[in-house]
Amino acid sequence: NAGVMQNPRHLVRRRGQEARLRCSPMKGHSHVYWYRQLPEEGLKFMVYLQKENIIDESGMPKERFSAEFPKEGPSILRIQQVVRGDSAAYFCASSQVQGSGETQYFGPGTRLLVL
Amino acid sequence: GDSVTQMEGPVTLSEEAFLTINCTYTATGYPSLFWYVQYPGEGLQLLLKATKADDKGSNKGFEATYRKETTSFHLEKGSVQVSDSAVYFCALSDLGTGNQFYFGTGTSLTVIP
Repeated sequence: NAGVMQNPRHLVRRRGQEARLRCSPMKGHSHVYWYRQLPEEGLKFMVYLQKENIIDESGMPKERFSAEFPKEGPSILRIQQVVRGDSAAYFCASSQVQGSGETQYFGPGTRLLVL
Repeated sequence: GDSVTQMEGPVTLSEEAFLTINCTYTATGYPSLFWYVQYPGEGLQLLLKATKADDKGSNKGFEATYRKETTSFHLEKGSVQVSDSAVYFCALSDLGTGNQFYFGTGTSLTVIP
């Protein structure tokens, strides 16, 4: 059973460009979470999605950031007009169900560098 | 709101030393508690978890006990190995806040031979 897949693993963008980060959850998992890890910090929750629905986006910046999880295909985290402060590692996690104690399984992350 | 406070690092230990990494939490509901480990350049891997008070999670020689009275979930290992060198994150999930995970800032552990 393949784990959570993320691509690309490393992404370099210039200021003002768009970044698209992809996440394929574990087989059988329908809940996807995105987190951001800034240097020397822990992970911060960004958004929680189920297929075709955004359930909780309380951690998403109000501008330039969007996420989707279509019926078919991977979940996408999209950052428009990137700025240097967007440089971070972005991790996707998935779970089979939602419930207290349900383990979230993490992907290897996408490390975004904005020049 | 919910939060996790974790012992700051970095921590450097000699092989076979005893390890404790402190973690305390604040939660509005009845959270589940987790320890994740992150090796350089990789994602987080679940190390152990506990879902209710007095539960003990254990894996690979690591263990942590969910203490509701002290709101703590300290990670311990009796004899560390060089291969344990990594960053350790304490985390909680609380269904009352949408089941998102709240992470501590991480504790970097280096074990020297």
